[in-house]
Amino acid sequence: KQEVTQIPAALSVPEGENLVLNCSFTDSAIYNLQWFRQDPGKGLTSLLLIQSSQREQTSGRLNASLDKSSGRSTLYIAASQPGDSATYLCAGRLSNDYKLSFGAGTTVTVRA
Amino acid sequence: EAQVTQNPRYLITVTGKKLTVTCSQNMNHEYMSWYRQDPGLGLRQIYYSMNVEVTDKGDVPEGYKVSRKEKRNFPLILESPSPNQTSLYFCASSSPGQGSYEQYFGPGTRLTVT
Repeated sequence: KQEVTQIPAALSVPEGENLVLNCSFTDSAIYNLQWFRQDPGKGLTSLLLIQSSQREQTSGRLNASLDKSSGRSTLYIAASQPGDSATYLCAGRLSNDYKLSFGAGTTVTVRA
Repeated sequence: EAQVTQNPRYLITVTGKKLTVTCSQNMNHEYMSWYRQDPGLGLRQIYYSMNVEVTDKGDVPEGYKVSRKEKRNFPLILESPSPNQTSLYFCASSSPGQGSYEQYFGPGTRLTVT
């Protein structure tokens, strides 16, 4: 079973600082890894998906990397803004499994 | 607009009164699933479906039923709800198209069982 861990659980940064969010997984036979954003009481919005054959994906200010050998993925958010305040979740999928295993999330606060 | 919809969005009910939460997607996705989200426990999968008439249990299936009679719909049924099923529920869909299985989530249904 894939175990996914996100540390830290919470993070507070001043506006303009770059954000680095970490995600660790136990099974290197990962099919893909997906990063989501969740606002309080709301649904999950997909940010980036990285296939096992890829090392990184980029969308605007967001960049996600995947290192299967070390069991880690990192989400970088450049020049953070107060609107980036949310909980960020990562979820990994194994090659032979339809299930996504979620981390507990990192709650980000960007101070104006 | 490509989306996953859930109804109702909010529901307060009493113990034992059967209820159904509907989920529908307009992306022609083969794969659909239900999750519940609880503080401190994160998101856990309840049931999933690989296609019409094909369903299987996730991590926490007890107390829930599902059916997949049409590709676009995947309702979640609580035959006899109990207070420990108070939670935030999400439906999701995805497709193996392009090999991604990228998951799209509905807006959530907040259920309170008293």
